[in-house]
Amino acid sequence: QVSLRESGPALVKPTQTLTLTCTFSGLSLTASGVSVSWIRQPPGKALEWLARIDWDDDKDYTTSLKTRLTISKDTSKNQVVLTMTNLDPVDSGTYYCARQGADYGDAFDIWGQGTTVTVSS
Amino acid sequence: QSALTQPPSASGSPGQSVTLSCTGTSSDVGDYNYVSWYQQHPGKAPKLLIYEVTKRPSGVPDRFSGSKSGSTASLTVSGLQAEDEADYYCSSYVGSSNWAFGGGTKLTVL
Repeated sequence: QVSLRESGPALVKPTQTLTLTCTFSGLSLTASGVSVSWIRQPPGKALEWLARIDWDDDKDYTTSLKTRLTISKDTSKNQVVLTMTNLDPVDSGTYYCARQGADYGDAFDIWGQGTTVTVSS
Repeated sequence: QSALTQPPSASGSPGQSVTLSCTGTSSDVGDYNYVSWYQQHPGKAPKLLIYEVTKRPSGVPDRFSGSKSGSTASLTVSGLQAEDEADYYCSSYVGSSNWAFGGGTKLTVL
């Protein structure tokens, strides 16, 4: 059974760097066609795709935040890490990681429960 | 502003059918069959309902169906039930290795 779980700080100060970790089980990020994405949702607002890392370490970022985001993976720990620099209060929200699989047309088929981040001084 | 446009709200009575729309452009929804739909209940993570425009993952009731015409994708919920009241989001591949979501539609079961 595939599961993902996000972790990270609940409160971050403006201008600081946020580091979020997605720990997964039941899937292998070395298997062809498997990817993990980060998606965020400000309170009461829509989902926003942020970044994705593929099984072969290919990385993609949303154009609007590309300069602030870094995604990486540690296959030995079954983890995907997202860092976001220069935080602003508008970055507050729930951050999800989700699997994308070629079997589902790269849809986000399995989601973590999300971790809530508040950016405030 | 979301890349894909969804009406903010929709409603229907139990047993009725309702269709939610998701409008993109010829460069995203109109160009790729990588449209998916998600259901999100308050305080919960989204759940995949439809992928590749029309396909349902196992476990998703066949009351949920997807379609596409040109640059507009649609999700139809038939035989509305109280538990279908939720937010619904569409997503599409938009090229250049990027993905986008719609602004979401809040479905109310009257």
